[in-house]
Amino acid sequence: QVQLQQWGAGLLKPSETLSLTCAVNGGSFSGYYWSWIRQPPGKGLEWIGEIHHDGSTTYNPSLKSRVTISVDTSKNQVSLILNSMTAADTAVYYCARLSKNWFDPWGQGTRVTVSS
Amino acid sequence: QSVLTQPPSVSAAPGQKVSISCSGSSSNIGSNYVSWYQHLPGTAPKLLIYDNNKRPSGIPGRFSGSKSGTSATLGITGLQTGDEADYYCGTWDSSLGRVFGTGTKVTVL
Repeated sequence: QVQLQQWGAGLLKPSETLSLTCAVNGGSFSGYYWSWIRQPPGKGLEWIGEIHHDGSTTYNPSLKSRVTISVDTSKNQVSLILNSMTAADTAVYYCARLSKNWFDPWGQGTRVTVSS
Repeated sequence: QSVLTQPPSVSAAPGQKVSISCSGSSSNIGSNYVSWYQHLPGTAPKLLIYDNNKRPSGIPGRFSGSKSGTSATLGITGLQTGDEADYYCGTWDSSLGRVFGTGTKVTVL
């Protein structure tokens, strides 16, 4: 049973860089895409981007200029970097495994607040 | 704003049925598979339906999915208080990438 455990800083100042990591435990890392998704307060889910275990990436066009998703296959970990954070980036951030066309499972979520 | 439109809320009494619609276009639902997720506050979203109408292991048969043209529907029968949550549809859009619906809050009266 694969489980995703994520961590990272929860409070940032405007213009700082968000760094989150997601560890994949108990299942195969290879052969899957791994995604980051966020939910701003009171709003719906927003896909940030995804990465294959071979390193190929696809990003949300609206975030592409500020996002980097990477993998460390030696540790079965996926990381998210989001630059130039603003209050609009305040959200709960989730990692999730992408199987063909669906996300399952999801990490527990990391609440990120951007405030001066 | 999402390209997939869902009703903001639906409600019904325990034991009754609710249907949640997800309306899109030919660039997303019309040409791709749809999945559905249940999201309870403070928890991770949970996959309910994938590939339009398939249920993962462990998801009760009370949950069903269907797709017709550029719209999809999630049905919940035998409504229970534990079904109170937000529900999201998701698919691929040829311009935007992976997209989710606007979300629907289910209330059990």
